[in-house]
Amino acid sequence: EAGVAQSPRYKIIEKRQSVAFWCNPISGHATLYWYQQILGQGPKLLIQFQNNGVVDDSQLPKDRFSAERLKGVDSTLKIQPAKLEDSAVYLCASSLDLAVSNTEAFFGQGTRLTVV
Amino acid sequence: AQSVTQLDSQVPVFEEAPVELRCNYSSSVSVYLFWYVQYPNQGLQLLLKYLSGSTLVKGINGFEAEFNKSQTSFHLRKPSVHISDTAEYFCAVTDFGNEKLTFGTGTRLTIIP
Repeated sequence: EAGVAQSPRYKIIEKRQSVAFWCNPISGHATLYWYQQILGQGPKLLIQFQNNGVVDDSQLPKDRFSAERLKGVDSTLKIQPAKLEDSAVYLCASSLDLAVSNTEAFFGQGTRLTVV
Repeated sequence: AQSVTQLDSQVPVFEEAPVELRCNYSSSVSVYLFWYVQYPNQGLQLLLKYLSGSTLVKGINGFEAEFNKSQTSFHLRKPSVHISDTAEYFCAVTDFGNEKLTFGTGTRLTIIP
């Protein structure tokens, strides 16, 4: 079974530039998550989709971050403009449904963003 | 809101020795608890989870964890570690009815040959 695919694996940009990350979840998974993992910290949920609708984006800095999941499959996360503190690993995960107690969330390898 | 504390950021252990990785949580309601592992250059993988029932939970690769409600802990153990266990381990919690994972800061397990 193919896992969660993310690209690119690494990205270096200058502050104030824009960047986009792409995620292809496991086929058939309705729920998709984007997490931010800053060095030395645990992953923090940025946004959660159920099919193509947003379930939770309470921790997404909406002045600079945006995400979409067209057709309820692939998703993109964009940062515009980037700040130094956005340097982190951005993880995408997917699961069959919303309830983590009933289903397992599968994670991609992540995209490591460095803002200089 | 729930939170998770992993007191040890790094744990070095000799090969074939036992290991315990500590996790304490804070929540005003009942919780579900999880341990994830992140091997080098790989994504997070579920090791085990506690939902209800027996407080001793067995997971993959010989790991187990014990839920202790009075001490609000969910420590991860393995009786004999191998080089292949070298990884970062994350404890996570979610409240009943609010199934969003809150992760700890992680513990890097290093196995010494």
